[in-house]
Amino acid sequence: AQKVTQAQTEISVVEKEDVTLDCVYETRDTTYYLFWYKQPPSGELVFLIRRNSFDEQNEISGRYSWNFQKSTSSFNFTITASQVVDSAVYFCALSEARNQGGKLIFGQGTELSVKP
Amino acid sequence: GAVVSQHPSRVICKSGTSVKIECRSLDFQATTMFWYRQFPKQSLMLMATSNEGSKATYEQGVEKDKFLINHASLTLSTLTVTSAHPEDSSFYICSASPGLAQGEQFFGPGTRLTVL
Repeated sequence: AQKVTQAQTEISVVEKEDVTLDCVYETRDTTYYLFWYKQPPSGELVFLIRRNSFDEQNEISGRYSWNFQKSTSSFNFTITASQVVDSAVYFCALSEARNQGGKLIFGQGTELSVKP
Repeated sequence: GAVVSQHPSRVICKSGTSVKIECRSLDFQATTMFWYRQFPKQSLMLMATSNEGSKATYEQGVEKDKFLINHASLTLSTLTVTSAHPEDSSFYICSASPGLAQGEQFFGPGTRLTVL
C-alpha cells in the first residue's frame, strides 16, 4: 500500500536554528516520485521539490536541502538558519508511476513555527 | 507560468443550497485535474480525479452525487457541492496537471466554503 508518514505534527524553533522535517514513505513500486510542498497561512500550496526514485543525490537549494535515502524509505527536508517566514505547514507527498493519473498521496503535514 | 486559479476564494452559503467552484489553468492545458478537501489542521485528501471529456474518478467514501465534477475543457473543471450541509464546510483545493511529468501538479489557491 502507498503511504506517507510525517511523524512530527508540530515543530517549534527559534530563528536561525536548523530544523529537519521527517518524511517516511511506503510503496510497492520501483518507480515513484516524492515531493515537498509548503502551505503558508494563506492556504496556497507552494511547490518545493520533486525527486524521482532513481535519483538519490541529495539536493540543496539555498537554505533548503533534502536527503533521500531509499534504504530507509525516507525523504527528509532540512531548513538551515530558519527564518520567521519559514513558518508554515509542510507536506511530503508520493506519486507512483503505475498511477497514470499522477495521483498524489500526502503525509499528515508538519506545522513549523519559527519564533523570532 | 503554470498558474491555476480558483473562484470563488471564499463562499458562505445556507444549508441546502448548492455551490459551484471553478478551477482554471490559465497558461497551460490540463489533461488531468484533481480536487482535494482539507479540514482544519489536517492533510489534503483527494476527492476525485477528472480527465477532460470523461467522467471523474472518485476516491472511496466520496459521494459522487453530492460532489459533482465537470471537466468540460482542457482549462476548466468545476466542483459543485449539492445540497450543502455544515459538515461540508472545508477548504477545497484543485490542482491541474499538464501531463508532462509524473505527479507534477499545479495547485490553485483554494476555496474556503462555510455552510451555515
